[in-house]
Amino acid sequence: SQTIHQWPATLVQPVGSPLSLECTVEGTSNPNLYWYRQAAGRGLQLLFYSVGIGQISSEVPQNLSASRPQDRQFILSSKKLLLSDSGFYLCAWSAGQGGTGELFFGEGSRLTVL
Amino acid sequence: AQSVSQHNHHVILSEAASLELGCNYSYGGTVNLFWYVQYPGQHLQLLLKYFSGDPLVKGIKGFEAEFIKSKFSFNLRKPSVQWSDTAEYFCAVRTGRRALTFGSGTRLQVQP
Repeated sequence: SQTIHQWPATLVQPVGSPLSLECTVEGTSNPNLYWYRQAAGRGLQLLFYSVGIGQISSEVPQNLSASRPQDRQFILSSKKLLLSDSGFYLCAWSAGQGGTGELFFGEGSRLTVL
Repeated sequence: AQSVSQHNHHVILSEAASLELGCNYSYGGTVNLFWYVQYPGQHLQLLLKYFSGDPLVKGIKGFEAEFIKSKFSFNLRKPSVQWSDTAEYFCAVRTGRRALTFGSGTRLQVQP
């Protein structure tokens, strides 16, 4: 069966420091991968999605970037964190081409920027 | 651009009460519709989904949703809620091959 893992689960970082959140999927090939940010009362905001290695689409211009160095690995990064980057980040996957779009979510990473 | 509206931000019900959570989307073409649930301390999980066919969709734990194309709605219902239904509920829509767009969520609190 397919599983998705993301880490770290919680992270406290000072303003201006770098960020790296990692997500890996097991049990499937060529998944579509996504990073969402969940803010209270604002639902889930799509940040990035990827349909293949090295293929990244950005939905919202911001201080963050994403990379997909391997088929089942998706990384969310920042060179210098801002206070406004605090939030709950969710990685998700869906079946690739021909899939229904149903998303399967990881456990989330809570980032606090101080 | 597609968007999803959930008008009920916080709903408080007593056990055994009936539930209906509203969801409206803005897109005139073919859509796939989803309801996700997030129980306290747990990750998001799929409650039910609509792709085509019967507009009345049944999901897990006694939930159902009805797709009304003319109203651009996909409301979630449950005849009798339980304390364990306390959670946050998210409606989502997919158009074409785009990623899911989520509503702002509805926090349901069921009082015993």
